[in-house]
Amino acid sequence: AQSVTQLDSHVSVSEGTPVLLRCNYSSSYSPSLFWYVQHPNKGLQLLLKYTSAATLVKGINGFEAEFKKSETSFHLTKPSAHMSDAAEYFCVVSEDTGFQKLVFGTGTRLLVSP
Amino acid sequence: NAGVTQTPKFQVLKTGQSMTLQCAQDMNHNSMYWYRQDPGMGLRLIYYSASEGTTDKGEVPNGYNVSRLNKREFSLRLESAAPSQTSVYFCATLDGVFNSPLHFGNGTRLTVT
Repeated sequence: AQSVTQLDSHVSVSEGTPVLLRCNYSSSYSPSLFWYVQHPNKGLQLLLKYTSAATLVKGINGFEAEFKKSETSFHLTKPSAHMSDAAEYFCVVSEDTGFQKLVFGTGTRLLVSP
Repeated sequence: NAGVTQTPKFQVLKTGQSMTLQCAQDMNHNSMYWYRQDPGMGLRLIYYSASEGTTDKGEVPNGYNVSRLNKREFSLRLESAAPSQTSVYFCATLDGVFNSPLHFGNGTRLTVT
């Protein structure tokens, strides 16, 4: 069975400092992994996805994530936080078992202070 | 470019009342999903529809029913609402190609008193 663990429920950074949101996964198959972002009162929006083509994945708004199979991790990073990055972030694992089943992590709320 | 449209945006029900949450998409996607989002629990799958004419239970289906009316529309019904169903409900669609992303509506915030 697949599962996702987001290691921090809240992360606080100052504007202009690096962002690290941590995600570990468990999967019986070769997984696909996604990061989604949710701004207040909005639906979720795809930030980036890993599908085995390259271990370092670049997404929108300067975010990127690195797939590390040996560590079963898929951490999300950004070199310099912006106020508009304040949101909730979800790590998602997907397995193709005949139907694409997605499992969501519990989310990490990113707080950005001036 | 409406994408995924959910109605209503907000709803307050009394315990025991029924209601239907509507979801419509204009992206010609085959698969549609209903999730609920609760604080600290991420998104949990209630029901999904892999294609028109089929529906299947997800992780938390109890207390809900769904109808895939046609390719565009996928509704979620609460027959007898309970306070435990207070949540934010999201509809999402997928075009069926593996690794393609979900497309979400903006959610329905439901409170059951």
